Amino acid sequence: GPKVLQIPSHQIIDMGQMVTLNCDPVSNHLYFYWYKQILGQQMEFLVNFYNGKVMEKSKLFKDQFSVERPDGSYFTLKIQPTALEDSAVYFCASSLPGNYAEQFFGPGTRLTVL
Amino acid sequence: TQTVSQSDAHVTVFEGDSVELRCNYSYGGSIYLSWYIQHHGHGLQFLLKYYSGNPVVQGVNGFEAEFSKSDSSFHLRKASVHWSDSAVYFCAVRGYGSSGNKLIFGIGTLLSVKP
Repeated sequence: GPKVLQIPSHQIIDMGQMVTLNCDPVSNHLYFYWYKQILGQQMEFLVNFYNGKVMEKSKLFKDQFSVERPDGSYFTLKIQPTALEDSAVYFCASSLPGNYAEQFFGPGTRLTVL
Repeated sequence: TQTVSQSDAHVTVFEGDSVELRCNYSYGGSIYLSWYIQHHGHGLQFLLKYYSGNPVVQGVNGFEAEFSKSDSSFHLRKASVHWSDSAVYFCAVRGYGSSGNKLIFGIGTLLSVKP
């Protein structure tokens, strides 16, 4: 079936550095999402993105976070600067318009901030 | 405010048993409900969804779920589980309208299937 890819699978960085998480969504999907999952906790919505714009973001989506998808390339989540509490697994998802309950998720990027 | 409650953190059954994983939600408007499965080290995989119509919906791999408005529930069931069904199962509600297109997940239920 359709797959969402995420690069890298793991990332270890020092606190204060910048990190960019990359997502290759399903090719004909138009809505893109980022979710955050801290180990042992539930998945939490960060942001959704459509037509080049952030549609909605949660309180977890701090000012240090940004998303973009330049020219149909990767959908990216950038954190600058990173903080210890940003350590988590970040999942990218995508969906078709009108089918928002059925989101396709990537395998996640495990981010460790030291 | 939408909430999703999964009352069982861990369910253990034997292969061939039936299983029901419980999900209750709170939301005042029209909603979408869905279930996802997460195998260890992998992303979430969509199982099934409900929006309207027949309250019993069929999903992949023999899973089904039943919506109940009176109980505010959307429990997931399988008649005969396989060891490969061992995973974490997440119930999710999608807010409709002004709530946008985000999914709100429950805490998840770990299903362990013993041989």
